[in-house]
Amino acid sequence: GAVVSQHPSWVICKSGTSVKIECRSLDFQATTMFWYRQFPKQSLMLMATSNEGSKATYEQGVEKDKFLINHASLTLSTLTVTSAHPEDSSFYICSASGQNNSPLHFGNGTRLTVT
Amino acid sequence: GEDVEQSLFLSVREGDSSVINCTYTDSSSTYLYWYKQEPGAGLQLLTYIFSNMDMKQDQRLTVLLNKKDKHLSLRIADTQTGDSAIYFCAETLSSNTGKLIFGQGTTLQVKP
Repeated sequence: GAVVSQHPSWVICKSGTSVKIECRSLDFQATTMFWYRQFPKQSLMLMATSNEGSKATYEQGVEKDKFLINHASLTLSTLTVTSAHPEDSSFYICSASGQNNSPLHFGNGTRLTVT
Repeated sequence: GEDVEQSLFLSVREGDSSVINCTYTDSSSTYLYWYKQEPGAGLQLLTYIFSNMDMKQDQRLTVLLNKKDKHLSLRIADTQTGDSAIYFCAETLSSNTGKLIFGQGTTLQVKP
């Protein structure tokens, strides 16, 4: 069964509003979670690394004020897309690993459409 | 920099074997992964291999790693229509990071 749960699976919002996406590890604790973005028919690009109890680490070119990440517990990370615009429409996927040397498991993704 | 390349499309008949190929550039890769993505869904981890291994088999899946040529392949035996999906090859340079470098994905089409 799924070891990483992501919610919601899809969301439609109006331009200018904010959207929060949750990523939960179901049967393990994850001090680190990762957020990816996937454009249609393209591969995944790492956006940021979410660290429990500390600030997220963002990849080059990713606006940290636009994509707010909070990792408040060992099983939950949230990504908030602030003041969303149509160009933010994409598929957002989170992943987590329970321990060092163990493979990453991905959530089912969130399809965001900004109108 | 790091780069992972895959062919974009593969079509096979049901019951045949499928072989999806991947090449990577960074010789310091420690882990190499195969993920499956069905339409509108997230990524499902299929299998992974450590860089010090040459082969790994798991039921219908066989992964071969040629470190000299930096070539990774995924063989699916007795391919079924349910195997139709996009398959991503990915590498990571460290066991402690989620910075996977993904290939472009190979769309596998299985014809009945």
